[in-house]
Amino acid sequence: QQQVKQSPQSLIVQKGGIPIINCAYENTAFDYFPWYQQFPGKGPALLIAIRPDVSEKKEGRFTISFNKSAKQFSLHIMDSQPGDSATYFCAAAYSARQLTFGSGTQLTVLP
Amino acid sequence: GAVVSQHPSWVICKSGTSVKIECRSLDFQATTMFWYRQFPKQSLMLMATSNEGSKATYEQGVEKDKFLINHASLTLSTLTVTSAHPEDSSFYICSAKGRLNTEAFFGQGTRLTVV
Repeated sequence: QQQVKQSPQSLIVQKGGIPIINCAYENTAFDYFPWYQQFPGKGPALLIAIRPDVSEKKEGRFTISFNKSAKQFSLHIMDSQPGDSATYFCAAAYSARQLTFGSGTQLTVLP
Repeated sequence: GAVVSQHPSWVICKSGTSVKIECRSLDFQATTMFWYRQFPKQSLMLMATSNEGSKATYEQGVEKDKFLINHASLTLSTLTVTSAHPEDSSFYICSAKGRLNTEAFFGQGTRLTVV
């Protein structure tokens, strides 16, 4: 019930491509869905987050698509750059409690 | 976003010794702090949740006598790894959340190596 499943495990795209990372959850009580970016040796940094009352949220080059009925959400990175190469984690939480993280996606953007 | 400072960023200690990691919220009052452990190429694993002035709540399988957590003020939480062993070597990350915030802000992590 608490699990958040993330795919793919790794992803390689060319510069300018649009990598898409997907997450699925089971617990319908989740009401907060953030995405984090983590560089090697650093803590995660919040990229963008969404609540289940909207189907899409865009901030800069990052877009979250949310499908409440399917219990899925995804991260799209527009015009990806080599500097976007990092590990991305989706997460979910409910009632402002602790985050449940996905397993992570290692993204490589080739120049 | 708010700033969470974690110190030290890396530490090497001898087996059997204890090491303390500090997590500070610099510009907000952190009513709740979380401690995570992360192995290479893996996700963050929640170790414990602490609320200011209360005892920490540990996740299943985490030894509370080995990983001592103190959250004595609204800006500081500490994790002490007692009698450290090589298998405790890992990346430890804290995060902090204010009373009205859903968003948790993360520290930069501490790389612990036990030799």
